[in-house]
Amino acid sequence: GENVEQHPSTLSVQEGDSAVIKCTYSDSASNYFPWYKQELGKGPQLIIDIRSNVGEKKDQRIAVTLNKTAKHFSLHITETQPEDSAVYFCAARTYNNNDMRFGAGTRLTVKP
Amino acid sequence: DGGITQSPKYLFRKEGQNVTLSCEQNLNHDAMYWYRQDPGQGLRLIYYSQIVNDFQKGDIAEGYSVSREKKESFPLTVTSAQKNPTAFYLCASSIREGRGRQPQHFGDGTRLSIL
Repeated sequence: GENVEQHPSTLSVQEGDSAVIKCTYSDSASNYFPWYKQELGKGPQLIIDIRSNVGEKKDQRIAVTLNKTAKHFSLHITETQPEDSAVYFCAARTYNNNDMRFGAGTRLTVKP
Repeated sequence: DGGITQSPKYLFRKEGQNVTLSCEQNLNHDAMYWYRQDPGQGLRLIYYSQIVNDFQKGDIAEGYSVSREKKESFPLTVTSAQKNPTAFYLCASSIREGRGRQPQHFGDGTRLSIL
């Protein structure tokens, strides 16, 4: 089955700097890769996703890149703000699977 | 507003007691899911349902049971057989789509603790 690894587990940056979180997956049949942001005491919220027929997707300060050959994908946050502080999860889903596999999460802290 | 509602927000279980967590959605989604989240870990799938009256075990189904009698509702029962139930439980739903490229939408979770 699919296995998703996420790094780093914690990340601290200064306000205004960029943050990058990386994930690798094992199943080459995976075709959908969402990223979720989870604030304390809340459920995960989808912030961006990418499908396997696309190499990069951007939404304002957030971008995701996908390298299918190397089986890794990354989340890039530019011009970070204190409200970006949260736990971020990557996930991968395969064509025929009914479930999503999640990384262990990255706790991002943006220092003002 | 459409969304997923989980209740209660906090729940306490006594030894030998079964407890039921509620999950309701008004997104008209066919598929619903239950995940368990432990500190420092990702989400682990307990059960999922693609359609009414049908559900499948996930990776950690032992000690849990579900039902799917209505499209909008997918309650999870944590039975006394689950020896380590303390965790944050998340319910999610999605459009049922064969290509697997639809996002899951999450509720705000139920935190279950042992008395």
